[in-house]
Amino acid sequence: AQSVTQPDIHITVSEGASLELRCNYSYGATPYLFWYVQSPGQGLQLLLKYFSGDTLVQGIKGFEAEFKRSQSSFNLRKPSVHWSDAAEYFCAVGFTSGTYKYIFGTGTRLKVLA
Amino acid sequence: DAMVIQNPRYQVTQFGKPVTLSCSQTLNHNVMYWYQQKSSQAPKLLFHYYDKDFNNEADTPDNFQSRRPNTSFCFLDIRSPGLGDAAMYLCATSRDQGRAFFGQGTRLTVV
Repeated sequence: AQSVTQPDIHITVSEGASLELRCNYSYGATPYLFWYVQSPGQGLQLLLKYFSGDTLVQGIKGFEAEFKRSQSSFNLRKPSVHWSDAAEYFCAVGFTSGTYKYIFGTGTRLKVLA
Repeated sequence: DAMVIQNPRYQVTQFGKPVTLSCSQTLNHNVMYWYQQKSSQAPKLLFHYYDKDFNNEADTPDNFQSRRPNTSFCFLDIRSPGLGDAAMYLCATSRDQGRAFFGQGTRLTVV
């Protein structure tokens, strides 16, 4: 069955430090890949997406992600974290299984230390 | 300008009393999704409409149903809410296999 795994439930980094959030998926082909951010009580905001082409994609707020087919991964990175980046981050995949579906990983909660 | 609008933002309902959540979109997208998100968990897909075709997830309880009277509107009906149904309900839309646009969600409280 198709699945999305985010191995890190919580991550704590210091402001200004670099960040990498991991995402792995299970699907027979290359799905569409997304990263979303969610602040408490808010909806989901798209950070970036990958459909095809260049495997390094740039997103909003200084985030980037790299698709690695051999590892079935789509890790999110940011070179220097700001306190305002503290939030929940969800990796999502879109794939076709009879019809098109969109499922989420379990999320990674990011805490930023001043 | 809001493109996916969910009403109401907050809904309190009584245990066992039917409740309907609504979602409207101005994007003219053909796909509409409903997700349930409980505290500190990932959004869980309940069902979605691909055009007029309804697609129910295998593990979605029968207590949850949906209607899509036209392209712009989609409703989530909970026939007999239980305490375990308290959650944030997220509506999303997409055009075919494109990115999904999410509404702000409706937080449902069951008392």
